[in-house]
Amino acid sequence: SQTIHQWPATLVQPVGSPLSLECTVEGTSNPNLYWYRQAAGRGLQLLFYSVGIGQISSEVPQNLSASRPQDRQFILSSKKLLLSDSGFYLCAWTKGASGPLEQYFGPGTRLTVT
Amino acid sequence: SQQGEEDPQALSIQEGENATMNCSYKTSINNLQWYRQNSGRGLVHLILIRSNEREKHSGRLRVTLDTSKKSSSLLITASRAADTASYFCAVGYGNKLVFGAGTILRVKS
Repeated sequence: SQTIHQWPATLVQPVGSPLSLECTVEGTSNPNLYWYRQAAGRGLQLLFYSVGIGQISSEVPQNLSASRPQDRQFILSSKKLLLSDSGFYLCAWTKGASGPLEQYFGPGTRLTVT
Repeated sequence: SQQGEEDPQALSIQEGENATMNCSYKTSINNLQWYRQNSGRGLVHLILIRSNEREKHSGRLRVTLDTSKKSSSLLITASRAADTASYFCAVGYGNKLVFGAGTILRVKS
């Protein structure tokens, strides 16, 4: 069966510090991968998605970047965090096929920028 | 915006009652999906309905889709305290899903 991991679960970082969040998927190959951010009490905002190694689509220009160095690994980064980067970050995967299929979410990372 | 918009924003019912949540969207879609999120957790996929389908069932869940009105509804029958969560609709375009702001459902026992 497929499993998706995210770490860390919680993170408190000062403004101006770097960020690296990691997401890995097990039990499938060539998945589509997604990074979302959720503000408190709000819906999900799509940040990045990837349909293959090295292929990144950015949905919202901001202080973040994403990379996909391996087929089942997706990394969200920032060189200098802003207060507005605080939120709940969710990684998700879906089968690498055409069309918007059901997505499977990781447990999320709660980021607080102080 | 292409996102789905849920209505109501919050819903409080007694255990055993039915809960209905609605979602509206603005453009043509491939499919529409519903997800549940327990507090502080990741989302869990509930049901997917394709644009050429009108109704779909899964256990105590019933989803309808009216493409002429660009709207969908999620019905949870015989609700339980464990159904307390946030529910999101997501409209599918290409390789992406666009999520609404969600409905917070509270089921009181």
